[in-house]
Amino acid sequence: EAGVTQFPSHSVIEKGQTVTLRCDPISGHDNLYWYRRVMGKEIKFLLHFVKESKQDESGMPNNRFLAERTGGTYSTLKVQPAELEDSGVYFCASSPTGGGYGYTFGSGTRLTVV
Amino acid sequence: AQSVSQHNHHVILSEAASLELGCNYSYGGTVNLFWYVQYPGQHLQLLLKYFSGDPLVKGIKGFEAEFIKSKFSFNLRKPSVQWSDTAEYFCAVASVGRRALTFGSGTRLQVQP
Repeated sequence: EAGVTQFPSHSVIEKGQTVTLRCDPISGHDNLYWYRRVMGKEIKFLLHFVKESKQDESGMPNNRFLAERTGGTYSTLKVQPAELEDSGVYFCASSPTGGGYGYTFGSGTRLTVV
Repeated sequence: AQSVSQHNHHVILSEAASLELGCNYSYGGTVNLFWYVQYPGQHLQLLLKYFSGDPLVKGIKGFEAEFIKSKFSFNLRKPSVQWSDTAEYFCAVASVGRRALTFGSGTRLQVQP
């Protein structure tokens, strides 16, 4: 089966611009998660979708970040306006219903804000 | 709030050496524990997990980890590392009933041939 796909793989934007990251989970996986790793630190949870609903968004850092999951399929994470501290690697993961912690991670999007 | 500490940030070993990577967590309730690995240029992969039962769990590629509840630890071990084990290793915890993982800062392992 195809894995979790994220794009772009890299993005370089200027401070104040908008960037949209996309994640395509494994087909049929109801659970979708966003994580990010900033500056070689720990990977931090951002939010969790179940189908199109936000189950847990306790990790979203501020209102410059907006996540959506259209029709319970792919998800986008928009950062508007981007700040320097938003630089890092954004990971997406998915798991099936009842899959417990059987995550499959994507390869991540490396975001650099200059 | 949960937190995870990985005390070794960068470990360099020769092939055939034994490996132990430390992981301690802070959380008062019941947790599920994980080790993930990220090989160069690849995505994060699950090495092993502990939910309950035997505190010594075995994972893929000869890795094992031991849960010591009294020490809030879940150290990763491998008796003999190979060059192909060069990667970054992450310890993670999740409180029972919550899917969000709390990760440690990662340990970069470099195995020299």
